[in-house]
Amino acid sequence: DAGITQSPRHKVTETGTPVTLRCHQTENHRYMYWYRQDPGHGLRLIHYSYGVKDTDKGEVSDGYSVSRSKTEDFLLTLESATSSQTSVYFCAINRQGNTGELFFGEGSRLTVL
Amino acid sequence: SQQGEEDPQALSIQEGENATMNCSYKTSINNLQWYRQNSGRGLVHLILIRSNEREKHSGRLRVTLDTSKKSSSLLITASRAADTASYFCATDAVGSSNTGKLIFGQGTTLQVKP
Repeated sequence: DAGITQSPRHKVTETGTPVTLRCHQTENHRYMYWYRQDPGHGLRLIHYSYGVKDTDKGEVSDGYSVSRSKTEDFLLTLESATSSQTSVYFCAINRQGNTGELFFGEGSRLTVL
Repeated sequence: SQQGEEDPQALSIQEGENATMNCSYKTSINNLQWYRQNSGRGLVHLILIRSNEREKHSGRLRVTLDTSKKSSSLLITASRAADTASYFCATDAVGSSNTGKLIFGQGTTLQVKP
């Protein structure tokens, strides 16, 4: 199912460099999310969007910014990557609208050296 | 903050046996969901149970919810090797009904041996 495409799928970068992860959906859903997954923490919400140019912070938003200039694209930016941001990042969309059931992308594995 | 706590953290069973995973949460919820994650893949939604429901079935899955104890269980009957995965419970944050702002547990890793 290719409703969500995340890119890049893998990235290795150095501390202090900027990184942008892209989430692209083909289904025109209003709500989009960025979560990070770390051992011992499950998934934690970073930022979410409820429409074009409408975004809000999640539980672990420090060090991250997002942008949504088009319905289909939700970008996550690490302005200056740190080793603590080494993680697997998942984008998700809310397909059902009225229940909060999420459909996830395949993830982007980021390593910050 | 961790809303959902799951146990056991890891479970290993033989094919054909039943697998039970438990989830506890801290605050009032509108609904509770269970997701599955195969190694290296994204999460897949399995089932949602609303706060006014006590039990729900979907194929070989049975979910129960006890709001008085703030707990839920996921039962997989007649398990198969293909059920090997991590299973996560997720609840909606207070005041975030149906927005998809979910709080996930740490997950139970299930291994089903052929």
